[in-house]
Amino acid sequence: DVKVTQSSRYLVKRTGEKVFLECVQDMDHENMFWYRQDPGLGLRLIYFSYDVKMKEKGDIPEGYSVSREKKERFSLILESASTNQTSMYLCASSRQLFGRQETQYFGPGTRLLVL
Amino acid sequence: KQEVTQIPAALSVPEGENLVLNCSFTDSAIYNLQWFRQDPGKGLTSLLLIQSSQREQTSGRLNASLDKSSGRSTLYIAASQPGDSATYLCAVEEAAGNKLTFGGGTRVLVKP
Repeated sequence: DVKVTQSSRYLVKRTGEKVFLECVQDMDHENMFWYRQDPGLGLRLIYFSYDVKMKEKGDIPEGYSVSREKKERFSLILESASTNQTSMYLCASSRQLFGRQETQYFGPGTRLLVL
Repeated sequence: KQEVTQIPAALSVPEGENLVLNCSFTDSAIYNLQWFRQDPGKGLTSLLLIQSSQREQTSGRLNASLDKSSGRSTLYIAASQPGDSATYLCAVEEAAGNKLTFGGGTRVLVKP
């Protein structure tokens, strides 16, 4: 079974703090993704990575950065957390096969509250 | 820009009734369409994936159809059970690249 784990289920931070969200997958997947999910707005892609040290902006990258130093780990960084970054953050990974990705597998999510 | 819509946003049915969930998308240049299930406070689990060349996919009590030309997909869940209560999301993968665009989801409650 594919397993995608996220470092925290719940996180409370203060405005201006630097926040690290970690995601680890154990299936040697090439692709990894960070989404945020908000009521009424659905899931929105923040960043994704298709290889180590590679990253691509998604639909809402502002205020976020990412790091992928190892294939199994993809980190989302909030350089200076703001209250509008309070959200549910979901990580996903997928295998690349014959030039296309297979289905995405999701982690359990991190619910972040910024005060 | 691709937009994915799911109507209704919420649905409540008695146990045993068949469920019909709708998904529409604006750009027919898709690679595939997936249906996911999300339980409260949890991540997403893939249910069915339909390639753009396919018309439908079936898994147990679940059947998903795809009409790419009209930009629609329907998820049917036969003989619903309380354990089917969850939010169901559809997502389309664009033809050029690995990006998924998600609908807002339909929250389903199956009453015993």
